[in-house]
Amino acid sequence: EAGVTQSPTHLIKTRGQQATLRCSPISGHTSVYWYQQALGLGLQFLLWYDEGEERNRGNFPPRFSGRQFPNYSSELNVNALELEDSALYLCASSYFSFSGANVLTFGAGSRLTVL
Amino acid sequence: SQQGEEDPQALSIQEGENATMNCSYKTSINNLQWYRQNSGRGLVHLILIRSNEREKHSGRLRVTLDTSKKSSSLLITASRAADTASYFCAFTGGGNKLTFGTGTQLKVEL
Repeated sequence: EAGVTQSPTHLIKTRGQQATLRCSPISGHTSVYWYQQALGLGLQFLLWYDEGEERNRGNFPPRFSGRQFPNYSSELNVNALELEDSALYLCASSYFSFSGANVLTFGAGSRLTVL
Repeated sequence: SQQGEEDPQALSIQEGENATMNCSYKTSINNLQWYRQNSGRGLVHLILIRSNEREKHSGRLRVTLDTSKKSSSLLITASRAADTASYFCAFTGGGNKLTFGTGTQLKVEL
């Protein structure tokens, strides 16, 4: 069974540009989560999608946006890139669980560098 | 901040020793999980403990949870060089959003 796949692995952009990151969840998983991990810091929750809908959003400006497609894959868009957006962006997927006992399966991440 | 706090931030031990890392949180939780991250890569789930459980074992891992103190600990027994990684606690207080701790960097030396 294929794991969570993310692309691209590395991305270099300049300030003001836009970046698009993509994620394919594990087959059967309907929920996709995005996290930002800046160098030396913990994981900051960005977005949660389930069944094509945005279910929850972290404390990030609106220039961070995304969507989930009918096949449950997802993309994260970051507009008007700033230097501090440089980070490892992690995507994770899970089954939706009403009990909240959701175990996340993570991809290897996309490292975004903003120059 | 709703983020969990972990201590120590960094831990260096010799192979064969035990490693203990602690996690504290501020909200009520449904469950608490521990994840491992090898250098700059994705996280891997290690173990989940529910709010009504006090202790759980999985192989060389032992997790405890004290909801009255809002804290959890992860013990890795008989550590190996391959255990070198960052370890994160994560919890849900309601809904499916998983909040992560700040992480403990473990280095196991030969």
